[in-house]
Amino acid sequence: AQSVAQPEDQVNVAEGNPLTVKCTYSVSGNPYLFWYVQYPNRGLQFLLKYITGDNLVKGSYGFEAEFNKSQTSFHLKKPSALVSDSALYFCAVRDIGQGNNRLAFGKGNQVVVIP
Amino acid sequence: EPEVTQTPSHQVTQMGQEVILRCVPISNHLYFYWYRQILGQKVEFLVSFYNNEISEKSEIFDDQFSVERPDGSNFTLKIRSTKLEDSAMYFCASSFPSSGDQYFGPGTRLLVL
Repeated sequence: AQSVAQPEDQVNVAEGNPLTVKCTYSVSGNPYLFWYVQYPNRGLQFLLKYITGDNLVKGSYGFEAEFNKSQTSFHLKKPSALVSDSALYFCAVRDIGQGNNRLAFGKGNQVVVIP
Repeated sequence: EPEVTQTPSHQVTQMGQEVILRCVPISNHLYFYWYRQILGQKVEFLVSFYNNEISEKSEIFDDQFSVERPDGSNFTLKIRSTKLEDSAMYFCASSFPSSGDQYFGPGTRLLVL
């Protein structure tokens, strides 16, 4: 079964500094990988995805993520964090080999950007 | 930009009561999903629905749960007899086509007393 690990509970970063949110995954086949963001009292908003092609994918709001097959990782990055980036970030994986559409989510990381 | 909408935003119910959570997916999407998030825990897949039938369900989605697309626009999740442990945020999502991005609604927070 597919699964995702987000090892940190909270990520604190000063405004203007680089932001990294870590994600590792486990699938039996090839993965589709996703990052979602959740602001207070809002639903999950899609940020970016990796399906195939370039390992570095760019998404909304200046975020990017790098797929690393050997390390089974898909870390989310932003070169310069904004206070408005403070939110809950979820990594998710879909296992193409299982032939299903379900997304398996990590537990989420609270990102706090300090002014 | 089209959005998935959900009603109600909050629902409080007594244990044993039936609840119906409603979702309006994005209009040209063909695949529909329910997920839930118990407070402090992961978002968990419940069920996916395509062509008026369940295409996949998780072990959580037992006989107490059912889904329906009653009128071509709404997508509902019914919990027949709620338990305390059903208290969670329930998210609806839709996608087009099946490999497409899943767009999530804002969620319904269900509290079972």
